[in-house]
Amino acid sequence: AQSVTQPDIHITVSEGASLELRCNYSYGATPYLFWYVQSPGQGLQLLLKYFSGDTLVQGIKGFEAEFKRSQSSFNLRKPSVHWSDAAEYFCAADNNAGNMLTFGGGTRLMVKP
Amino acid sequence: DGGITQSPKYLFRKEGQNVTLSCEQNLNHDAMYWYRQDPGQGLRLIYYSQIVNDFQKGDIAEGYSVSREKKESFPLTVTSAQKNPTAFYLCASRRSGTVNTEAFFGQGTRLTVV
Repeated sequence: AQSVTQPDIHITVSEGASLELRCNYSYGATPYLFWYVQSPGQGLQLLLKYFSGDTLVQGIKGFEAEFKRSQSSFNLRKPSVHWSDAAEYFCAADNNAGNMLTFGGGTRLMVKP
Repeated sequence: DGGITQSPKYLFRKEGQNVTLSCEQNLNHDAMYWYRQDPGQGLRLIYYSQIVNDFQKGDIAEGYSVSREKKESFPLTVTSAQKNPTAFYLCASRRSGTVNTEAFFGQGTRLTVV
């Protein structure tokens, strides 16, 4: 079955520190991959997406993600975290067959001052 | 401005009642989706529709029903058969017929059974 896994449920980092959120997928072929961010009680906002080509993709708010086929991973990174980055982050994948997105369980990011 | 509007933002339901959550989009998207969000479980797909007058069950459709009579609207009814309806519900839409499109989300409806 197709699945997306985010191994870390909670992550706490200090403001100004670097960040990496992990995402692994299990699909028959390379899916289309997305990262979304959700503030409490709000909908989801797209940070970035990967479809093909350059495996390092840039997104909004200073985020980037790297697609690694050999590891079935699509980890999200940010060089220096700001307090406003505290939120929940979701990785999602779409095999473009059923036009559906499958989401990981999410990672809640807390930022220490 | 284009977007997806969910209403109401908060909804309270008595046990045994049906309630309907509204989702409207003016993005001219063909595909629309309903997700349920519970703490620690991510988003789970309830129903989706790729075209007017057609919809498909997702992973957790039991106790829910939908309709898609208009392109812009995809209401979700939570029936009394849904045993644990308290959750945050998110509606999304995206273009279909083309590849590589992301989903746009509404602001969600929080449903509480009282």
